[in-house]
Amino acid sequence: AQSVTQLDSHVSVSEGTPVLLRCNYSSSYSPSLFWYVQHPNKGLQLLLKYTSAATLVKGINGFEAEFKKSETSFHLTKPSAHMSDAAEYFCVVSGPNTDKLIFGTGTRLQVFP
Amino acid sequence: EPEVTQTPSHQVTQMGQEVILRCVPISNHLYFYWYRQILGQKVEFLVSFYNNEISEKSEIFDDQFSVERPDGSNFTLKIRSTKLEDSAMYFCASSEARRPQYFGPGTRLTVL
Repeated sequence: AQSVTQLDSHVSVSEGTPVLLRCNYSSSYSPSLFWYVQHPNKGLQLLLKYTSAATLVKGINGFEAEFKKSETSFHLTKPSAHMSDAAEYFCVVSGPNTDKLIFGTGTRLQVFP
Repeated sequence: EPEVTQTPSHQVTQMGQEVILRCVPISNHLYFYWYRQILGQKVEFLVSFYNNEISEKSEIFDDQFSVERPDGSNFTLKIRSTKLEDSAMYFCASSEARRPQYFGPGTRLTVL
């Protein structure tokens, strides 16, 4: 069975400081991993994806994530937070023989001026 | 940039009524999905659809649910007899080659 655990339900940072949103996964297979973002009253937007190519994945809006098999982690980072980054972030896993995406519980990111 | 669209944005219905939620996937995409998110809970997979048939479904997707692609552009989710516990945000998604999946803005369904 596959699952993801988002270790923080809320993260607060000041504008201009680094962002770290933590995600650990569990998978019997080589997983595909994704981060999605949801701004208030908006849909789920794909930030980035890992599908067994490079372990450091760059996404939109300056976000990146590193796949670490030894730690079963796929943490999302950004060097400098912007006010517009305030949103809910979902870590998502999928396996090779299924269409189903399995979502984490989400991390709400607050950015203070 | 092409987007998945969903209508309506909010649907209110009485328990026992039928509802149809509509989605227009991205035009060259071949795979279609429905997910839902009950308030305060995780986003959950309901069903995937490819080549005019269901390719995968979850335990949630029982006989009261059905999906259809009635024409070349729309993809619908029908709930035959709504229950209070069907109240949720329903997301449609589409993909060109199974992944990644691109999501619409959602339809908030409220069952009274």
